[in-house]
Amino acid sequence: DAGVTQSPTHLIKTRGQQVTLRCSPKSGHDTVSWYQQALGQGPQFIFQYYEEEERQRGNFPDRFSGHQFPNYSSELNVNALLLGDSALYLCASSIPGTETQYFGPGTRLLVL
Amino acid sequence: SQKIEQNSEALNIQEGKTATLTCNYTNYSPAYLQWYRQDPGRGPVFLLLIRENEKEKRKERLKVTFDTTLKQSLFHITASQPADSATYLCALDRGSGTYKYIFGTGTRLKVLA
Repeated sequence: DAGVTQSPTHLIKTRGQQVTLRCSPKSGHDTVSWYQQALGQGPQFIFQYYEEEERQRGNFPDRFSGHQFPNYSSELNVNALLLGDSALYLCASSIPGTETQYFGPGTRLLVL
Repeated sequence: SQKIEQNSEALNIQEGKTATLTCNYTNYSPAYLQWYRQDPGRGPVFLLLIRENEKEKRKERLKVTFDTTLKQSLFHITASQPADSATYLCALDRGSGTYKYIFGTGTRLKVLA
């Protein structure tokens, strides 16, 4: 049973560019959450998707947007990249009614 | 404002001893609290969940306590091993009706052989 997978593993972009990160949830999971983790910090909640809708959002600007597909996979899009967007982006999947989240390995984004 | 605090200083202990990590929170009333382990460059891995009406939870060498009066959780690793060296994160839910988890900054544990 494959766990949560994310692609790409690493990415380098320049300021002002746009980036798309991808996540495939654990088999049987239909809920996907995205987190941003800066170096030395805990993960910060960006948003959660369920049934192809954004169910809840953290304190992130509209430059951060997402999508969930019918197969439950998800994308995180970030527009107009800033240096401060450099971080590890984590995807976590879960099943409604359960509290346990399963995290992917993350995508390390560096903005130059 | 709402805050979660974990000891940002690294914790070094000798192999075989018990490691105790602390998670304090203010201005929250979480229904449950979770502990995760994170290795460098990897995603967090779920370890234990404890609910507000539970005082203590155990899993193998791990023990978690939850004191809603003190607004504190303690995470213990008994008979610690070098393989336990990692960063440990606590996470709280925001309460009923929300799906957002709030994470602490984590405490780095190093078990010395």
